[in-house]
Amino acid sequence: KAGVTQTPRYLIKTRGQQVTLSCSPISGHRSVSWYQQTPGQGLQFLFEYFSETQRNKGNFPGRFSGRQFSNSRSEMNVSTLELGDSALYLCASSLLVRETQYFGPGTRLLVL
Amino acid sequence: DAKTTQPPSMDCAEGRAANLPCNHSTISGNEYVYWYRQIHSQGPQYIIHGLKNNETNEMASLIITEDRKSSTLILPHATLRDTAVYYCIVRVILNTGFQKLVFGTGTRLLVSP
Repeated sequence: KAGVTQTPRYLIKTRGQQVTLSCSPISGHRSVSWYQQTPGQGLQFLFEYFSETQRNKGNFPGRFSGRQFSNSRSEMNVSTLELGDSALYLCASSLLVRETQYFGPGTRLLVL
Repeated sequence: DAKTTQPPSMDCAEGRAANLPCNHSTISGNEYVYWYRQIHSQGPQYIIHGLKNNETNEMASLIITEDRKSSTLILPHATLRDTAVYYCIVRVILNTGFQKLVFGTGTRLLVSP
């Protein structure tokens, strides 16, 4: 069974732009969570989606948003990019909520 | 805030057992302990998890103390490919019924020849 896939793997943007990242969960998995990893803050929870609804959100500004489609694929969007948004963005999927999460390889975003 | 504390780094000789400790003194009765590892900025890889009893799978063993305030991940025969940052995580169940993994700073394990 294929693992979690994320696209693109690498991305370079400039300040003020917006970006959309995509995540395809493991087949059959219905819950998708997003995390941000930076050298200074480590791995931090962004939000979780289940059945196309955001179920929980971490402590991030409203510039960070996401959505989930009926096939469980998810996207996250960051608007008005700031230099501090440079990070590795990780997506994790689980079969259902409160099940083990499996991570994708991440999208590395560089904001110049 | 992370509910776990781990040593920042550990060394292990190839072929020997690696024992990675973790303290989680504020863990609640229904909260699981999860272990992941991350190799050179790849996505974290799931290793094992447990609630009360010791667990073993093809990758590792997890020993949880009877009071559940600490645990140890054991890699029985460490290889160079086990060099990674190991995260011990308490899975928090929110009042919505959904979960959140709260990562700490992890232990950087270096396996040497």
